Amino acid sequence: EPEVTQTPSHQVTQMGQEVILRCVPISNHLYFYWYRQILGQKVEFLVSFYNNEISEKSEIFDDQFSVERPDGSNFTLKIRSTKLEDSAMYFCASKDSPSYEQYFGPGTRLTVT
Amino acid sequence: AQSVTQPDIHITVSEGASLELRCNYSYGATPYLFWYVQSPGQGLQLLLKYFSGDTLVQGIKGFEAEFKRSQSSFNLRKPSVHWSDAAEYFCAVLDSNYQLIWGAGTKLIIKP
Repeated sequence: EPEVTQTPSHQVTQMGQEVILRCVPISNHLYFYWYRQILGQKVEFLVSFYNNEISEKSEIFDDQFSVERPDGSNFTLKIRSTKLEDSAMYFCASKDSPSYEQYFGPGTRLTVT
Repeated sequence: AQSVTQPDIHITVSEGASLELRCNYSYGATPYLFWYVQSPGQGLQLLLKYFSGDTLVQGIKGFEAEFKRSQSSFNLRKPSVHWSDAAEYFCAVLDSNYQLIWGAGTKLIIKP
């Protein structure tokens, strides 16, 4: 069964460094999402992406965040200058159209020290 | 604004006992509702979903959920839990922008 994959599974970085989290959505999907889950807290929507542009973004998704689909398979989340409070599990999801069901990857745990 | 409430932060049940996890939502239109499970160190796996039709929906791993519009609820049930069901369970609703709005989660602990 097709699945969403994410790399790396765990990333440790120093405050102020740039990180790129990578996702490979399911191949025929057209809508892509990033969510994050700070330890012990709710899952929060960050951004949705369709047709090579951002569809929606939350208040969390400020100028230090960016997303890109650099080729036909990858979908990346870049954090330019990480802060301690960026430590969280980041989930990528994708869906086809017109399905409402989002398929999630296993997540990347980001630890900022 | 849409919201999802899971009133129980954690629930402990004995193996073999029945389970009900509560979920209440706030949404003006007909909701699209989901239950996801997150095992320790794992990602989010969809258990079941409700879009329309029969209000009792069946999911994977023997789970079911019932949509009750009058109570704005979508409670998850399982007749007999297994130790492998120990995990965190999240209820979510799809908002008007097709984003998932999540509950805080309920951690299920299984007693042997």
